[in-house]
Amino acid sequence: QQQVKQSPQSLIVQKGGISIINCAYENTAFDYFPWYQQFPGKGPALLIAIRPDVSEKKEGRFTISFNKSAKQFSLHIMDSQPGDSATYFCAASWGNYQLIWGAGTKLIIKP
Amino acid sequence: NAGVTQTPKFQVLKTGQSMTLQCAQDMNHNSMYWYRQDPGMGLRLIYYSASEGTTDKGEVPNGYNVSRLNKREFSLRLESAAPSQTSVYFCASRPSGRTYNEQFFGPGTRLTVL
Repeated sequence: QQQVKQSPQSLIVQKGGISIINCAYENTAFDYFPWYQQFPGKGPALLIAIRPDVSEKKEGRFTISFNKSAKQFSLHIMDSQPGDSATYFCAASWGNYQLIWGAGTKLIIKP
Repeated sequence: NAGVTQTPKFQVLKTGQSMTLQCAQDMNHNSMYWYRQDPGMGLRLIYYSASEGTTDKGEVPNGYNVSRLNKREFSLRLESAAPSQTSVYFCASRPSGRTYNEQFFGPGTRLTVL
């Protein structure tokens, strides 16, 4: 029940395309769902986050879609750019408890 | 404002050696965390400290000890390193008083145990 399952493990998208990464969870107590972006040699950095009381949150080219009934959430990157090439992690937590992390998705944007 | 800093950046140890990974934050955060990152496994929590003077075990604490020296500093010690502890170690901190668990990460320490 503590797991967050992330897919795909790796993803190659053409420049200008839409990148989509999916996550699924079991614990209905989770109330915070962030996405982190990590570049090689760096620590993860918060990209965007959502609470389960909304179905979508958009910040620039990045959108989180949230499906509470299916216990799934996804990250969409519109107009993907080579600079978006990184590893993306989804995570979940409840209250101030620890973050439970997905395994990560390595995204490559081809010019 | 340096954020979260970690030292060293790289370290090679022999099996059985000990070492301490240092972490400091200058953002006046109460909570601090130590994670390890292994390929295909995401980040796993080793220990965390909700406030100065308190520490708690995370998912994978065996083989590690921690010290919350003061509000700024949180160190991770490997008493007798094993090859299974080869990993990238990240320290993170979280602002006080926030409802949500947003964490700020350091640049990591890449540790190899031979």
